[in-house]
Amino acid sequence: GDSVTQMEGPVTLSEEAFLTINCTYTATGYPSLFWYVQYPGEGLQLLLKATKADDKGSNKGFEATYRKETTSFHLEKGSVQVSDSAVYFCAAPMKTSYDKVIFGPGTSLSVIP
Amino acid sequence: DGGITQSPKYLFRKEGQNVTLSCEQNLNHDAMYWYRQDPGQGLRLIYYSQIVNDFQKGDIAEGYSVSREKKESFPLTVTSAQKNPTAFYLCASSQGAGTGELFFGEGSRLTVL
Repeated sequence: GDSVTQMEGPVTLSEEAFLTINCTYTATGYPSLFWYVQYPGEGLQLLLKATKADDKGSNKGFEATYRKETTSFHLEKGSVQVSDSAVYFCAAPMKTSYDKVIFGPGTSLSVIP
Repeated sequence: DGGITQSPKYLFRKEGQNVTLSCEQNLNHDAMYWYRQDPGQGLRLIYYSQIVNDFQKGDIAEGYSVSREKKESFPLTVTSAQKNPTAFYLCASSQGAGTGELFFGEGSRLTVL
């Protein structure tokens, strides 16, 4: 069935380090792909998205490229900050009879000064 | 500002009691959702509604009930039949039509004493 897989962490990085969080998916066709972020004690908010293969989504210094050949959507940031500490979820909407979104398990990121 | 409001933010319940979590949106979205989030886990869909007066079970509907009498409102009742109700509950909405982009509230944390 349809699924989204991502590295689960937790991930701990020093400030200004490079970040990569892997995400792969299995689905019928090539759905849009999303990264959501959840700051402590809050709901999720959309970080970035890509609507078709080879698209690059970007926001707040984060980037992710929709790789059709590897069915991947890895999240990257060149220089993380303490304020980036959060849980990151990869997600994909499925082509079903309703607007169902499949979420990965989330990756907890802690950035230390 | 448009958004989703969940209340209460924190709720304590004794075993055997029903509790209702409120979710209101002013985004004029047709679709609304309830997710459950447990520590270190991803999001699991409880119920969803694509239109007023209609709702469907998600992946973990047992022990929960919902209503959708108004477009803006989608309350969730956690009944005494839910054996492990302590969790973080997230309400979301979307424009529907397969966009996959969800807008989340800030969540309600339910603790059973």
